[in-house]
Amino acid sequence: DAGVTQSPTHLIKTRGQQVTLRCSPKSGHDTVSWYQQALGQGPQFIFQYYEEEERQRGNFPDRFSGHQFPNYSSELNVNALLLGDSALYLCASSPTPGQMMGTEAFFGQGTRLTVV
Amino acid sequence: GQNIDQPTEMTATEGAIVQINCTYQTSGFNGLFWYQQHAGEAPTFLSYNVLDGLEEKGRFSSFLSRSKGYSYLLLKELQMKDSASYLCAVKRSPGTGFQKLVFGTGTRLLVSP
Repeated sequence: DAGVTQSPTHLIKTRGQQVTLRCSPKSGHDTVSWYQQALGQGPQFIFQYYEEEERQRGNFPDRFSGHQFPNYSSELNVNALLLGDSALYLCASSPTPGQMMGTEAFFGQGTRLTVV
Repeated sequence: GQNIDQPTEMTATEGAIVQINCTYQTSGFNGLFWYQQHAGEAPTFLSYNVLDGLEEKGRFSSFLSRSKGYSYLLLKELQMKDSASYLCAVKRSPGTGFQKLVFGTGTRLLVSP
């Protein structure tokens, strides 16, 4: 059973460019959350998708947007990249909200984004 | 608001016991997780507490006091491979039915021979 998979693993972009990161949730999970982890910090919640809709959003600008597909996979898009967007981007999947309240979120290995 | 505090760094010796504390202030509390994260890797699940008390799992134990907004992770018989960051994360349910994790900054543990 594949866990959460993310692609690509590493990415280098130039300031002002746009980037798309991808995530496939663990089998049986339909909720996907995205987190940004800067060096030396804990992960910060970006947003969460369920049934192809954004359900919660953290304190991130509109340059950060996402999408969830019918197969539950998800994309994170960041426009007009800034140097400060350099971070590890983590995708976490979990079962349908409310069904398994105690279950931990499973994290993918992350995408290391470097903006130069 | 929400605030999660844990020490930035701790050191310990192989074979010893170490306790990593976490205090939190948050609304919509619905459980507390501990994750281990090696440098450059994804966080991996260690423990989950939703009720007060101690949860033991092998060399790792986690304690929660909801009234005090306090948790700790206890690592026994430390091994070199335990050198990693340990993340305290509160699961918040703002009443919408959806939950999210709010993380502390992590505690970097260095285990020396």
